[in-house]
Amino acid sequence: NAGVTQTPKFRILKIGQSMTLQCTQDMNHNYMYWYRQDPGMGLKLIYYSVGAGITDKGEVPNGYNVSRSTTEDFPLRLELAAPSQTSVYFCASSRTGGGTDTQYFGPGTRLTVL
Amino acid sequence: DQQVKQNSPSLSVQEGRISILNCDYTNSMFDYFLWYKKYPAEGPTFLISISSIKDKNEDGRFTVFLNKSAKHLSLHIVPSQPGDSAVYFCAASGIIGGGADGLTFGKGTHLIIQP
Repeated sequence: NAGVTQTPKFRILKIGQSMTLQCTQDMNHNYMYWYRQDPGMGLKLIYYSVGAGITDKGEVPNGYNVSRSTTEDFPLRLELAAPSQTSVYFCASSRTGGGTDTQYFGPGTRLTVL
Repeated sequence: DQQVKQNSPSLSVQEGRISILNCDYTNSMFDYFLWYKKYPAEGPTFLISISSIKDKNEDGRFTVFLNKSAKHLSLHIVPSQPGDSAVYFCAASGIIGGGADGLTFGKGTHLIIQP
């Protein structure tokens, strides 16, 4: 069991470029989440999904898009990168939602936008 | 406006002593609280949780206490060990927006265990 995997580990983007952060889980979890962590801050929810084909916005969704075509994958898309999107991005999954089930996190993607 | 607050950015404790990490919350809709531990360059890992219907939950060296009237919880680690050095995040969840929302995190407390 690899758990939650994220690629790439690091990326530097220029302003206006786009990219997709990949997230895959092999635990057959229905719920998946994307968080971002800015320096000295806690994690903030960007988007989440309760199952394939169903996604919803979290606290800070602007500038991002997601899709969930399979149970395993939950990619996060940045269309027009801005310096404010410099952050560490964490993907997580859980068997059930509501926050009471343990969320398993990936190792993170460190993104810098210059 | 921060709904989950960890007011101590760092805490230094001697090995073998008790570590007490504190967390306050403002949203009375939160009904489940969790502590996550994070090492550098890794994702957070779940440590311990507590439901709002309880006031204490214990798991080995880790105990979480919840004071609902004060909207305060604390994590006790006894005895503290060098491997406990990490950033600890307090997180909360509740039946907000249908219940499928993710967690609301505090800013974290960096615990340093001194030999």
